Amino acid sequence: KQEVTQIPAALSVPEGENLVLNCSFTDSAIYNLQWFRQDPGKGLTSLLLIQSSQREQTSGRLNASLDKSSGRSTLYIAASQPGDSATYLCAVRGNTDKLIFGTGTRLQVFP
Amino acid sequence: EAGVTQFPSHSVIEKGQTVTLRCDPISGHDNLYWYRRVMGKEIKFLLHFVKESKQDESGMPNNRFLAERTGGTYSTLKVQPAELEDSGVYFCASSSGLFSYEQYFGPGTRLTVT
Repeated sequence: KQEVTQIPAALSVPEGENLVLNCSFTDSAIYNLQWFRQDPGKGLTSLLLIQSSQREQTSGRLNASLDKSSGRSTLYIAASQPGDSATYLCAVRGNTDKLIFGTGTRLQVFP
Repeated sequence: EAGVTQFPSHSVIEKGQTVTLRCDPISGHDNLYWYRRVMGKEIKFLLHFVKESKQDESGMPNNRFLAERTGGTYSTLKVQPAELEDSGVYFCASSSGLFSYEQYFGPGTRLTVT
Protein backbone atom coordinates (compact mmCIF):
# COMPACT_ATOMS: atom_id res chain seq x y z
CA LYS A 1 0.00 0.00 0.00
CA GLN A 2 1.41 3.36 -1.06
CA GLU A 3 2.11 5.85 1.71
CA VAL A 4 3.24 9.42 1.21
CA THR A 5 5.02 11.40 3.91
CA GLN A 6 5.92 15.07 3.94
CA ILE A 7 8.55 16.65 6.11
CA PRO A 8 8.49 19.08 7.78
CA ALA A 9 4.84 19.41 8.77
CA ALA A 10 5.29 23.15 9.25
CA LEU A 11 7.94 25.68 8.39
CA SER A 12 8.33 29.35 9.19
CA VAL A 13 11.05 31.35 7.44
CA PRO A 14 11.97 34.98 6.81
CA GLU A 15 11.43 36.43 3.39
CA GLY A 16 14.25 35.83 0.93
CA GLU A 17 15.32 32.41 2.14
CA ASN A 18 15.71 29.45 -0.18
CA LEU A 19 13.89 26.43 1.17
CA VAL A 20 13.32 22.76 0.51
CA LEU A 21 10.19 20.75 1.14
CA ASN A 22 10.46 16.98 1.23
CA CYS A 23 8.13 14.24 0.08
CA SER A 24 8.75 10.51 0.36
CA PHE A 25 6.71 7.56 -0.87
CA THR A 26 6.95 3.86 -0.12
CA ASP A 27 6.18 2.30 -3.51
CA SER A 28 8.42 3.41 -6.37
CA ALA A 29 6.00 2.10 -9.05
CA ILE A 30 4.49 5.48 -9.86
CA TYR A 31 3.46 7.19 -13.07
CA ASN A 32 4.05 10.69 -11.85
CA LEU A 33 4.18 13.02 -8.88
CA GLN A 34 2.39 16.33 -8.52
CA TRP A 35 3.10 19.22 -6.19
CA PHE A 36 0.13 21.34 -5.20
CA ARG A 37 -0.41 24.50 -3.27
CA GLN A 38 -3.47 25.10 -1.11
CA ASP A 39 -4.36 28.48 0.31
CA PRO A 40 -6.68 28.63 3.34
CA GLY A 41 -10.28 27.93 2.32
CA LYS A 42 -9.30 27.48 -1.30
CA GLY A 43 -8.86 24.57 -3.69
CA LEU A 44 -5.69 22.93 -4.89
CA THR A 45 -3.45 24.67 -7.40
CA SER A 46 -1.15 22.40 -9.34
CA LEU A 47 2.42 23.68 -9.25
CA LEU A 48 4.49 21.03 -10.99
CA LEU A 49 3.94 17.60 -12.50
CA ILE A 50 6.92 15.28 -12.83
CA GLN A 51 6.54 12.15 -14.92
CA SER A 52 8.27 9.00 -13.69
CA SER A 53 10.81 9.25 -16.51
CA GLN A 54 11.83 12.78 -15.52
CA ARG A 55 14.30 13.91 -12.91
CA GLU A 56 13.09 17.45 -12.38
CA GLN A 57 10.71 20.18 -13.44
CA THR A 58 11.02 23.93 -13.07
CA SER A 59 8.52 26.75 -13.03
CA GLY A 60 9.74 30.21 -12.12
CA ARG A 61 11.19 30.12 -8.61
CA LEU A 62 10.05 26.53 -8.10
CA ASN A 63 12.05 23.43 -8.87
CA ALA A 64 10.89 19.92 -8.14
CA SER A 65 13.09 16.87 -8.33
CA LEU A 66 12.19 13.20 -8.38
CA ASP A 67 14.27 10.20 -7.38
CA LYS A 68 11.88 7.37 -8.05
CA SER A 69 14.20 4.57 -6.99
CA SER A 70 14.66 6.02 -3.53
CA GLY A 71 11.04 7.17 -3.26
CA ARG A 72 11.80 10.85 -2.79
CA SER A 73 10.87 14.22 -4.22
CA THR A 74 11.88 17.68 -3.16
CA LEU A 75 10.32 21.04 -3.90
CA TYR A 76 12.83 23.86 -3.89
CA ILE A 77 11.53 27.40 -3.53
CA ALA A 78 14.04 30.13 -4.31
CA ALA A 79 13.97 33.56 -2.73
CA SER A 80 10.79 32.95 -0.75
CA GLN A 81 8.14 35.67 -0.50
CA PRO A 82 5.23 36.24 1.90
CA GLY A 83 2.90 35.32 -0.99
CA ASP A 84 4.38 31.82 -0.94
CA SER A 85 2.71 31.19 2.41
CA ALA A 86 0.36 28.23 1.95
CA THR A 87 0.14 24.50 2.48
CA TYR A 88 2.17 22.48 -0.02
CA LEU A 89 1.00 18.99 -0.89
CA CYS A 90 2.64 16.26 -2.87
CA ALA A 91 0.70 13.43 -4.44
CA VAL A 92 1.78 10.33 -6.35
CA ARG A 93 -0.13 8.54 -9.05
CA GLY A 94 0.23 4.79 -9.29
CA ASN A 95 -1.22 2.08 -11.46
CA THR A 96 -4.73 2.65 -10.17
CA ASP A 97 -4.75 6.20 -11.58
CA LYS A 98 -5.75 7.85 -8.32
CA LEU A 99 -3.64 10.42 -6.53
CA ILE A 100 -2.32 9.50 -3.10
CA PHE A 101 -1.58 12.57 -1.04
CA GLY A 102 0.76 13.41 1.77
CA THR A 103 -0.45 15.41 4.76
CA GLY A 104 1.29 18.55 3.55
CA THR A 105 3.80 21.12 4.73
CA ARG A 106 2.38 24.37 6.07
CA LEU A 107 4.71 27.18 5.04
CA GLN A 108 4.76 30.66 6.48
CA VAL A 109 7.07 33.29 5.03
CA PHE A 110 7.26 36.43 7.12
CA PRO A 111 8.47 39.84 5.97
CA GLU B 1 -11.27 27.91 -20.54
CA ALA B 2 -13.25 27.50 -17.33
CA GLY B 3 -11.75 25.36 -14.62
CA VAL B 4 -13.40 22.72 -12.49
CA THR B 5 -16.34 24.17 -10.61
CA GLN B 6 -18.11 22.83 -7.55
CA PHE B 7 -21.39 23.72 -5.92
CA PRO B 8 -22.15 24.60 -3.19
CA SER B 9 -18.98 26.02 -1.73
CA HIS B 10 -20.21 25.33 1.77
CA SER B 11 -23.06 23.25 3.16
CA VAL B 12 -24.20 22.90 6.75
CA ILE B 13 -26.71 20.13 7.46
CA GLU B 14 -27.96 18.17 10.42
CA LYS B 15 -27.16 14.56 11.04
CA GLY B 16 -29.59 12.36 9.16
CA GLN B 17 -30.27 14.83 6.38
CA THR B 18 -29.34 14.45 2.74
CA VAL B 19 -26.88 16.58 0.81
CA THR B 20 -25.96 16.57 -2.86
CA LEU B 21 -22.70 18.00 -4.09
CA ARG B 22 -22.13 18.91 -7.71
CA CYS B 23 -19.01 19.02 -9.83
CA ASP B 24 -18.62 20.40 -13.33
CA PRO B 25 -15.34 19.25 -14.88
CA ILE B 26 -13.32 21.08 -17.48
CA SER B 27 -15.14 20.80 -20.79
CA GLY B 28 -14.00 17.76 -22.74
CA HIS B 29 -12.42 15.98 -19.79
CA ASP B 30 -13.64 12.39 -19.74
CA ASN B 31 -12.04 11.58 -16.39
CA LEU B 32 -13.62 12.89 -13.22
CA TYR B 33 -12.43 12.15 -9.70
CA TRP B 34 -13.84 12.78 -6.23
CA TYR B 35 -11.60 13.18 -3.19
CA ARG B 36 -12.21 14.34 0.35
CA ARG B 37 -10.27 15.66 3.28
CA VAL B 38 -11.59 15.11 6.76
CA MET B 39 -10.25 17.11 9.69
CA GLY B 40 -6.57 16.53 10.33
CA LYS B 41 -6.19 13.86 7.68
CA GLU B 42 -4.72 13.76 4.22
CA ILE B 43 -6.82 14.10 1.08
CA LYS B 44 -8.16 10.70 0.10
CA PHE B 45 -9.54 9.32 -3.13
CA LEU B 46 -13.24 8.42 -3.31
CA LEU B 47 -13.95 7.41 -6.90
CA HIS B 48 -13.15 7.86 -10.56
CA PHE B 49 -15.46 8.18 -13.55
CA VAL B 50 -14.49 7.67 -17.16
CA LYS B 51 -17.28 9.40 -19.01
CA GLU B 52 -20.43 8.09 -17.33
CA SER B 53 -18.89 4.83 -16.07
CA LYS B 54 -17.43 4.23 -12.63
CA GLN B 55 -13.85 3.14 -13.22
CA ASP B 56 -12.84 2.83 -9.60
CA GLU B 57 -15.00 3.34 -6.54
CA SER B 58 -12.70 1.68 -4.05
CA GLY B 59 -12.47 4.80 -1.88
CA MET B 60 -16.18 5.22 -1.23
CA PRO B 61 -16.57 4.85 2.55
CA ASN B 62 -19.97 3.14 2.64
CA ASN B 63 -23.32 2.84 0.90
CA ARG B 64 -24.53 6.17 2.24
CA PHE B 65 -22.52 7.74 -0.55
CA LEU B 66 -23.85 7.66 -4.11
CA ALA B 67 -22.06 9.23 -7.07
CA GLU B 68 -23.49 9.69 -10.51
CA ARG B 69 -22.35 11.15 -13.78
CA THR B 70 -25.27 10.95 -16.14
CA GLY B 71 -24.37 11.80 -19.71
CA GLY B 72 -20.70 11.94 -18.89
CA THR B 73 -20.70 15.65 -18.09
CA TYR B 74 -21.23 16.93 -14.56
CA SER B 75 -21.24 14.64 -11.54
CA THR B 76 -23.16 14.59 -8.28
CA LEU B 77 -22.19 13.06 -4.97
CA LYS B 78 -25.08 12.40 -2.62
CA VAL B 79 -24.70 11.62 1.05
CA GLN B 80 -27.79 10.05 2.60
CA PRO B 81 -28.21 10.04 5.53
CA ALA B 82 -25.31 12.26 6.58
CA GLU B 83 -23.31 11.40 9.69
CA LEU B 84 -21.01 13.59 11.78
CA GLU B 85 -17.90 11.87 10.43
CA ASP B 86 -18.82 12.92 6.88
CA SER B 87 -17.78 16.48 7.67
CA GLY B 88 -14.85 17.65 5.61
CA VAL B 89 -13.92 19.18 2.29
CA TYR B 90 -14.95 17.34 -0.86
CA PHE B 91 -12.82 17.99 -3.92
CA CYS B 92 -13.51 17.18 -7.51
CA ALA B 93 -10.83 16.89 -10.18
CA SER B 94 -10.82 16.23 -13.89
CA SER B 95 -8.29 15.06 -16.42
CA SER B 96 -8.19 14.69 -20.18
CA GLY B 97 -6.46 11.33 -19.98
CA LEU B 98 -5.28 8.60 -17.66
CA PHE B 99 -2.12 8.15 -15.60
CA SER B 100 0.36 10.59 -17.09
CA TYR B 101 -2.15 13.39 -17.47
CA GLU B 102 -2.46 16.17 -14.92
CA GLN B 103 -5.49 16.30 -12.64
CA TYR B 104 -7.08 19.74 -12.22
CA PHE B 105 -8.90 20.39 -8.99
CA GLY B 106 -11.95 22.43 -8.15
CA PRO B 107 -12.23 24.72 -5.11
CA GLY B 108 -13.96 22.09 -3.02
CA THR B 109 -17.21 21.91 -1.06
CA ARG B 110 -16.91 22.25 2.69
CA LEU B 111 -19.51 19.98 4.31
CA THR B 112 -20.38 20.44 7.96
CA VAL B 113 -22.69 17.91 9.58
CA THR B 114 -24.01 18.99 12.99
